[in-house]
Amino acid sequence: GDSVTQMEGPVTLSEEAFLTINCTYTATGYPSLFWYVQYPGEGLQLLLKATKADDKGSNKGFEATYRKETTSFHLEKGSVQVSDSAVYFCALSVWGGSQGNLIFGKGTKLSVKP
Amino acid sequence: SAVISQKPSRDICQRGTSLTIQCQVDSQVTMMFWYRQQPGQSLTLIATANQGSEATYESGFVIDKFPISRPNLTFSTLTVSNMSPEDSSIYLCSVIGEDGYTFGSGTRLTVV
Repeated sequence: GDSVTQMEGPVTLSEEAFLTINCTYTATGYPSLFWYVQYPGEGLQLLLKATKADDKGSNKGFEATYRKETTSFHLEKGSVQVSDSAVYFCALSVWGGSQGNLIFGKGTKLSVKP
Repeated sequence: SAVISQKPSRDICQRGTSLTIQCQVDSQVTMMFWYRQQPGQSLTLIATANQGSEATYESGFVIDKFPISRPNLTFSTLTVSNMSPEDSSIYLCSVIGEDGYTFGSGTRLTVV
């Protein structure tokens, strides 16, 4: 079935370091891809999304490109801040029939040290 | 995008009791999803609730344990029945609107 595999955490970086969180997916259809962020004690927020191959989603300095050839949607940020400390979830949705829910990866906890 | 009001935000319950979680959406939506997030884990879909039909449950989740109501296009409830400590989790509802997926703020349940 459809699934998402993302890089195991936790990831600890110093402020202004470069961030990559890897995400790959398996889907039978043509999924939309998402990154969600969960700050400590808060709910789930959409960070960015891409709906078709070669689309690039971006928000708050984060970027991810939908790569169909490698079935990947890696999250990147050029210079992380302490305020980026959170858990990041990669997710996909495949529409069709009665489906439409999101399938999530296991999450990657990011800690950024000053 | 749709706005979801989910309550309660947290609760501490005795084992063997039941808790009903409510989600109210500010617009009409066809599909509503209920997820569980166990401590330190990802989100797992419990069921999909469509108005006017019975909820569709994922493998490992049954209606007797997690009964769902969907009386109209803006409201749904999830009940966690006969609770045990293993049910301690965050429960979230989600909808698909014109702008994509929206999540409720979650219900943090602790069973003692």
